[in-house]
Amino acid sequence: EVHLVESGGGLVQPGGSLRLSCAASGFTFSSYWMTWVRQAPGKGLEWVANIKEDGREKNYVDSVKGRFTISRDNARNSLYLQMNSLRAEDTAVYYCARDRRGSYDYWGQGTLVTVSS
Amino acid sequence: DIQMTQSPSTLSASVGDRVTITCRASQSLISWLAWYQQRPGKAPKLLIYKASSLESGVPSRFSGSGSGTEFTLTISSLQPDDFATYYCQQYNSYSRTFGQGTKVEIK
Repeated sequence: EVHLVESGGGLVQPGGSLRLSCAASGFTFSSYWMTWVRQAPGKGLEWVANIKEDGREKNYVDSVKGRFTISRDNARNSLYLQMNSLRAEDTAVYYCARDRRGSYDYWGQGTLVTVSS
Repeated sequence: DIQMTQSPSTLSASVGDRVTITCRASQSLISWLAWYQQRPGKAPKLLIYKASSLESGVPSRFSGSGSGTEFTLTISSLQPDDFATYYCQQYNSYSRTFGQGTKVEIK
């Protein structure tokens, strides 16, 4: 059974950094693109970033370019999101999701990131 | 970037109603569009991919149609479990985007 479990969320001050992790199991992790999607409180879904199976291609939404870095460790079946220079508008639940040729068939439960002083 | 616009933003309906949600794209997606259902406090769930393909395990009362820039999600007979928020998502480009969501409420 496919499982995705995010961790690493929490309270951070504006300008601070946080690293999110997503532990994957139940499928061949190295065979799938992976994605981060976020949802601000009471708002809709926002695609954040994705990464190719081998990690060699990455894409980001404009609002996080230069501040966030997506990465993966296929040996550890893990996906990461390094978030730097955090802003109040980055406050959201962050989900990792498996990318099955463009649509997202499995999602984690999400981890909450709160950026506040 | 491709912009996605859903309508309506909110929809009030009763159990047994036929419900239709529309999603319009700022450029052609061919058929690279998915639909998701999200219940409060839960992760989204994939319902439809490639515009009209039903995800395994999803009830057949859900259907998707359309191509190019206009797409539709239809629920043929609304059930109590279906009161939720629905999102479309394009994957015609590597920078994906979601629609703003349509909340289906009890009338």
